[in-house]
Amino acid sequence: AQSVTQLDSQVPVFEEAPVELRCNYSSSVSVYLFWYVQYPNQGLQLLLKYLSGSTLVKGINGFEAEFNKSQTSFHLRKPSVHISDTAEYFCAVSDWGGSEKLVFGKGTKLTVNP
Amino acid sequence: DTGVSQDPRHKITKRGQNVTFRCDPISEHNRLYWYRQTLGQGPEFLTYFQNEAQLEKSRLLSDRFSAERPKGSFSTLEIQRTEQGDSAMYLCASSPGETDGYTFGSGTRLTVV
Repeated sequence: AQSVTQLDSQVPVFEEAPVELRCNYSSSVSVYLFWYVQYPNQGLQLLLKYLSGSTLVKGINGFEAEFNKSQTSFHLRKPSVHISDTAEYFCAVSDWGGSEKLVFGKGTKLTVNP
Repeated sequence: DTGVSQDPRHKITKRGQNVTFRCDPISEHNRLYWYRQTLGQGPEFLTYFQNEAQLEKSRLLSDRFSAERPKGSFSTLEIQRTEQGDSAMYLCASSPGETDGYTFGSGTRLTVV
């Protein structure tokens, strides 16, 4: 069964610093990969997704992620964060051509400090 | 389009009572998903529908849980004989297709006392 590991439960950074949130998944089969963001007291929102093709995908709010098949990773990056990026970030995976359910990681709490 | 709506936003119930939650997906989305989220954890899959057909149900889901989507539009999730361990945020999401990602509702927070 698929599983997702988000290596850091909490990431504190200063405003305007770069950030990387790490995500690894278990399966070596073809997958679809997603990052979601959950702002305080709000529902989850889709940040970006990887389906196929270019391994670097760009999403909303200046975020991007890179798919690395050999390392089964899909790390999320932003070159310069803002206070408003403070939120919880979830990585999720589904099997290509298999079950349509998304399997989520436990989340990474990003705190951007002034 | 107002997005995915869930009702109620909060529910407090006594142990042993039955509860029912409702989800109204985005109208043109034929896929509907239920997840559960507890503090410090990511969303955990419960079940999903394509139109009115329930295509997958988590093995973690006890038979106290049942979900329906009778006309392929709104869905209900019922928990019978609630237990304290059922306390969680119950999330509904919808999607037009396998590769589109989900649109989530704001969730229903269940507290069992």
